Amino acid sequence: AQSVTQLDSHVSVSEGTPVLLRCNYSSSYSPSLFWYVQHPNKGLQLLLKYTSAATLVKGINGFEAEFKKSETSFHLTKPSAHMSDAAEYFCVVSPGAGNNRKLIWGLGTSLAVNP
Amino acid sequence: DAGVIQSPRHEVTEMGQEVTLRCKPISGHDYLFWYRQTMMRGLELLIYFNNNVPIDDSGMPEDRFSAKMPNASFSTLKIQPSEPRDSAVYFCASSFRRGEQPQHFGDGTRLSIL
Repeated sequence: AQSVTQLDSHVSVSEGTPVLLRCNYSSSYSPSLFWYVQHPNKGLQLLLKYTSAATLVKGINGFEAEFKKSETSFHLTKPSAHMSDAAEYFCVVSPGAGNNRKLIWGLGTSLAVNP
Repeated sequence: DAGVIQSPRHEVTEMGQEVTLRCKPISGHDYLFWYRQTMMRGLELLIYFNNNVPIDDSGMPEDRFSAKMPNASFSTLKIQPSEPRDSAVYFCASSFRRGEQPQHFGDGTRLSIL
């Protein structure tokens, strides 16, 4: 069965310090993986995506994620947090086979950035 | 480019009333998705369309919910009759070739049923 687990429901960092949001997935096929961000009262915005090309993926706003097949992980990182990064982050897997591929959404990680 | 456009942004209505949510996908996208987001259940896929045809409605909670896509630029999600437990944020998203390409989301409709 396909699944995605975001290991932390809440993460709090200080402005200027690194961000790490953890995501593990389970997929029987070669997956596509995405990170989305949701700011308060807004829709979800794509941060970055992995689709079997380079394992280190760079996204918008300085975020990046590394696909590690051996660890079935796709953790999101940023070297230096900014106040505007405070939001909800979702890890998403597309299992990658068949005509009825439903995206599988993690439950989200709430990122707080303290001044 | 205009993104996915949803209306209304907010809807407050009384239990038993009919509610219609609207969505205009990004021009040229051939997939359209309706999601519901609540604190308790997170983000749930309700239904999705490909080329205006409903493909999977297994996420639609009850017969009170229905969705249509009469053409490539418009979709509706209707709840009749509405109940307080339908209160949630409803998102519409669109994409090319589902799965390989990311979905682009609207800003959502915040629905409150009193």
